[in-house]
Amino acid sequence: AQSVAQPEDQVNVAEGNPLTVKCTYSVSGNPYLFWYVQYPNRGLQFLLKYITGDNLVKGSYGFEAEFNKSQTSFHLKKPSALVSDSALYFCALMDSNYQLIWGAGTKLIIKP
Amino acid sequence: EAQVTQNPRYLITVTGKKLTVTCSQNMNHEYMSWYRQDPGLGLRQIYYSMNVEVTDKGDVPEGYKVSRKEKRNFPLILESPSPNQTSLYFCASSDFADTQYFGPGTRLTVL
Repeated sequence: AQSVAQPEDQVNVAEGNPLTVKCTYSVSGNPYLFWYVQYPNRGLQFLLKYITGDNLVKGSYGFEAEFNKSQTSFHLKKPSALVSDSALYFCALMDSNYQLIWGAGTKLIIKP
Repeated sequence: EAQVTQNPRYLITVTGKKLTVTCSQNMNHEYMSWYRQDPGLGLRQIYYSMNVEVTDKGDVPEGYKVSRKEKRNFPLILESPSPNQTSLYFCASSDFADTQYFGPGTRLTVL
């Protein structure tokens, strides 16, 4: 069965420190993975996606994600966190019917 | 500006009073979808449409209707809303099998 898991409900990071938001997936075949961000009272905004090719994907707002096939993971990273990065982050996997399977979301809190 | 628009943004209504939430996109996308977002449940798909006149049920279609008469519009219809449909609703669109772009959301309260 195809699935996505975000194992952490909340991640707390001090401003200026590196951040990681975790995502693992289960799929038969090649994964097509996405990260979205939702700021308070806003819609979801696309950050980045992995289709094929380079395992390190660069996206918006200085975020990047590392695809690891052996660990079936697609963790979101940023070298230096900003308070303005505080938001809800969603990982998603495109299934064989071209629909998105969503993780439950991870609340990222960046403390000054 | 490329965008997905939804109206209204906020709506408070009463049980049983039919309502429609409109969704429109100006990117000529074939694919459109409706989701609801509830605390602790993440995003759940209600209905989607691969093209004009083609719609399919998502994970939670009960109590909802959709139509896709034009490529740009994909309205969500609640014929007889109930309190358990109180939620935050998002419309999204994309090229086929590509990145979905989301509207700003509609916060619906059914009393």
